[in-house]
Amino acid sequence: SQTIHQWPATLVQPVGSPLSLECTVEGTSNPNLYWYRQAAGRGLQLLFYSVGIGQISSEVPQNLSASRPQDRQFILSSKKLLLSDSGFYLCAWSAGQRGSNQPQHFGDGTRLSIL
Amino acid sequence: DAKTTQPTSMDCAEGRAANLPCNHSTISGNEYVYWYRQIHSQGPQYIIHGLKNNETNEMASLIITEDRKSSTLILPHATLRDTAVYYCIVRVASNFGNEKLTFGTGTRLTIIP
Repeated sequence: SQTIHQWPATLVQPVGSPLSLECTVEGTSNPNLYWYRQAAGRGLQLLFYSVGIGQISSEVPQNLSASRPQDRQFILSSKKLLLSDSGFYLCAWSAGQRGSNQPQHFGDGTRLSIL
Repeated sequence: DAKTTQPTSMDCAEGRAANLPCNHSTISGNEYVYWYRQIHSQGPQYIIHGLKNNETNEMASLIITEDRKSSTLILPHATLRDTAVYYCIVRVASNFGNEKLTFGTGTRLTIIP
């Protein structure tokens, strides 16, 4: 069966520090991968998605970047964190099929607090 | 993607069936209905999805009306662990991987012992 792992579960970082959140998927090949952010009391906002290695699409302009160095690895990064980067970050995967109605499956998330 | 409307909150007695409604009156012919739930401080959990036929899996059943303008998620025997916020989402299957999920406010389901 497929599993998705995110770490760390919680993170407290000072303003201006760098960030690296990692997500890996097991049990599937060529998945579509996604990074979402959920602000407190609000819905999910899609930040990035990837349909293959090295292929990253950004949904919203921001202080963050994403990379996909391997088929099942997705990394969310920042060079200098802002207070507004605080939130609950979620990685998700779906089966990578054209015209797909396959659902997205989420990890347990990383709760990021910027001080 | 079509907008959905759900009740803000619902209660259900433990062991009874929980029926969660969702209105999606502007749904298009090629849009699917998805249900997710989110337990506090966890990532959303996929439950079930469908296009026009009723669907059932080990977690729940999805009943879609014939005109597809509304649907109902049924948890047949609710347990305390089913207490969560339930989201009904409508979206088109994508050819490009940009399958953004738009979560509304959902229904906060509380299972009463």
